[in-house]
Amino acid sequence: KAGVTQTPRYLIKTRGQQVTLSCSPISGHRSVSWYQQTPGQGLQFLFEYFSETQRNKGNFPGRFSGRQFSNSRSEMNVSTLELGDSALYLCASSSTSGSSYNEQFFGPGTRLTVL
Amino acid sequence: GEDVEQSLFLSVREGDSSVINCTYTDSSSTYLYWYKQEPGAGLQLLTYIFSNMDMKQDQRLTVLLNKKDKHLSLRIADTQTGDSAIYFCAEEVYGGSQGNLIFGKGTKLSVKP
Repeated sequence: KAGVTQTPRYLIKTRGQQVTLSCSPISGHRSVSWYQQTPGQGLQFLFEYFSETQRNKGNFPGRFSGRQFSNSRSEMNVSTLELGDSALYLCASSSTSGSSYNEQFFGPGTRLTVL
Repeated sequence: GEDVEQSLFLSVREGDSSVINCTYTDSSSTYLYWYKQEPGAGLQLLTYIFSNMDMKQDQRLTVLLNKKDKHLSLRIADTQTGDSAIYFCAEEVYGGSQGNLIFGKGTKLSVKP
């Protein structure tokens, strides 16, 4: 089985621009979660999608948004980029979401640099 | 909200045992996890423990859970240079703005030959 793939792997943008990151989960997985990883804040949860619906959302401003398609692929969008948005964005997929063993498989991440 | 704490650095010699410690706050957590992150890579699940267990062994890895003190540890026996990485402890919670997994800030393990 192919793992979680994220594209692009690296991205450089300037302040004020917007960016779209893509995540393809493991085949058959319907839950996709997004995390932001920075040296200062560590891993912070952005949102989770399950069957095209946002089930959970972290404490990020509205500039961060996401969506999930019928094939479970997910995208996240960041508008009006700020320097502080520079981070590694990780996507994780799992086969279930809820009160059961929830192994999340992580992709390699997209490294976003905002200049 | 929930919080997971772990020390930031650990340095050991090749062949020694490594012990990485973690404390968590949510007593209702059902599963607790250890993830490994190598440079430039995503997170890899190493092992997990169900909250009604005290110990779990998986080859060179031993997880100890003290529910009363909300303390979790990961012991790596016969540590190798290939074990050098950042290790994250995570507790599972349900719903809420922090998501289903709350991560610690990670412990950077350095293994000296």
